[in-house]
Amino acid sequence: QKEVEQNSGPLSVPEGAIASLNCTYSDRGSQSFFWYRQYSGKSPELIMSIYSNGDKEDGRFTAQLNKASQYVSLLIRDSQPSDSATYLCAVNKDSGGGADGLTFGKGTHLIIQP
Amino acid sequence: DAGVTQSPTHLIKTRGQQVTLRCSPKSGHDTVSWYQQALGQGPQFIFQYYEEEERQRGNFPDRFSGHQFPNYSSELNVNALLLGDSALYLCASSFGTGPYNEQFFGPGTRLTVL
Repeated sequence: QKEVEQNSGPLSVPEGAIASLNCTYSDRGSQSFFWYRQYSGKSPELIMSIYSNGDKEDGRFTAQLNKASQYVSLLIRDSQPSDSATYLCAVNKDSGGGADGLTFGKGTHLIIQP
Repeated sequence: DAGVTQSPTHLIKTRGQQVTLRCSPKSGHDTVSWYQQALGQGPQFIFQYYEEEERQRGNFPDRFSGHQFPNYSSELNVNALLLGDSALYLCASSFGTGPYNEQFFGPGTRLTVL
């Protein structure tokens, strides 16, 4: 059974600081890793995808992947109140015949304090 | 460029009834995946459709079935509704079925079973 674990929070970060969100996964065969942002009452919105060990940067967001430690993280620099949301970590792999479907964690509730 | 669309937005049913939810994928996408998101949880994978066939399925009973049409749009059908089926139902589209393909979510259908 694939599992994705996230600290549910809430994680409170002052405006302008760096928010660090973490995720661990149990299936070593996982191939792809995604971060989604979900505002209350809305659907998930894709922020970042990462497939190889190391860092991937997109604007204020940096995703980090360490497959040996089975660990994915998302850093948000210069945090803004509009970043307040639930952040979902998702993983995927191909067990044969196509991708299995995303496996999500429960999400981390992030609050940016003005 | 139209994103993923879903209908209806909200739906109220009673136990034992049947429901059909609809999804149109993002322009250029040919694969549709369905997810169920209970309150406070991450989305759970129901199944994926590609080339009008169910390609992968999560841990959901046969009461959940689907269909994909030649124009890539899709339906999710749930029979014999239970109270526990109350959730946000999300459709995600992608190009192809591989694990590296990014999935983009529609706004969702909020189903309430009374």
